[in-house]
Amino acid sequence: GAVVSQHPSWVICKSGTSVKIECRSLDFQATTMFWYRQFPKQSLMLMATSNEGSKATYEQGVEKDKFLINHASLTLSTLTVTSAHPEDSSFYICSADRLDRGQPQHFGDGTRLSIL
Amino acid sequence: RKEVEQDPGPFNVPEGATVAFNCTYSNSASQSFFWYRQDCRKEPKLLMSVYSSGNEDGRFTAQLNRASQYISLLIRDSKLSDSATYLCVVNPSSNTGKLIFGQGTTLQVKP
Repeated sequence: GAVVSQHPSWVICKSGTSVKIECRSLDFQATTMFWYRQFPKQSLMLMATSNEGSKATYEQGVEKDKFLINHASLTLSTLTVTSAHPEDSSFYICSADRLDRGQPQHFGDGTRLSIL
Repeated sequence: RKEVEQDPGPFNVPEGATVAFNCTYSNSASQSFFWYRQDCRKEPKLLMSVYSSGNEDGRFTAQLNRASQYISLLIRDSKLSDSATYLCVVNPSSNTGKLIFGQGTTLQVKP
C-alpha cells in the first residue's frame, strides 16, 4: 500500500489563488521530504528539500517566497504555491526518505495543478 | 550538460522483444543509482536499484559502469504492460537523499 500520501490529487483554480499541497508519510517518520515539479514531457525537477523543524533548502531558480514549505511534524510537509499563475500549472510530487530502512525514496501520488 | 542524460525515445518494440536503455551521469562522485518507472500522469515508482556488480530482477537487468559514468537497463521478453517511461535516477551524495532525474525514456510495447 501507499507509504506516502499526497493531497489533493487535482486542483483547478483561478489565477492569484494560493494553493496548499500536503505530503504525509503514513507509517514512518520522515525528517526529510522532497518536493518536485514536472512539466509535460519533461523530467522531475527538484524544487526544494523540506527539513523537519527547520527551513527548507531551495534549488537554484526556485523562489522561496513563491513556494512556501512547512515541515512542522515528522509525518507532514506542506507546499503552498502563493498567488499562483498559469505558468505554475504543473504536476507537483513529494517524496520522503525512509532512512530507517535504507530504502530509496517513496513518492506521493502527485498533485496536478491547473491555474486558469 | 545535464546531470543525468537519457535518450527520450520513444522506443517502439513488439511483444517479446529485448530492449536496452542507456543513461549517463556527469557527477563522478555520485553514490546511488536507480531505475524508476513512471506511467502517464502518475508518480514514479522504483523499478530497481543499480549496483556496481550488476543486478537482475526477473526480466530486468541493470548495469553500472562507474568508470564511464554509464547506467543501463535491459528488459527481456517485453510485455504490453512494460509500456511506460523509464527514469534514470542518481543520488549525487550520501549525505542527502536528493535525487537527480533523467528526462526519461519512453517505451511502447506493441502486440
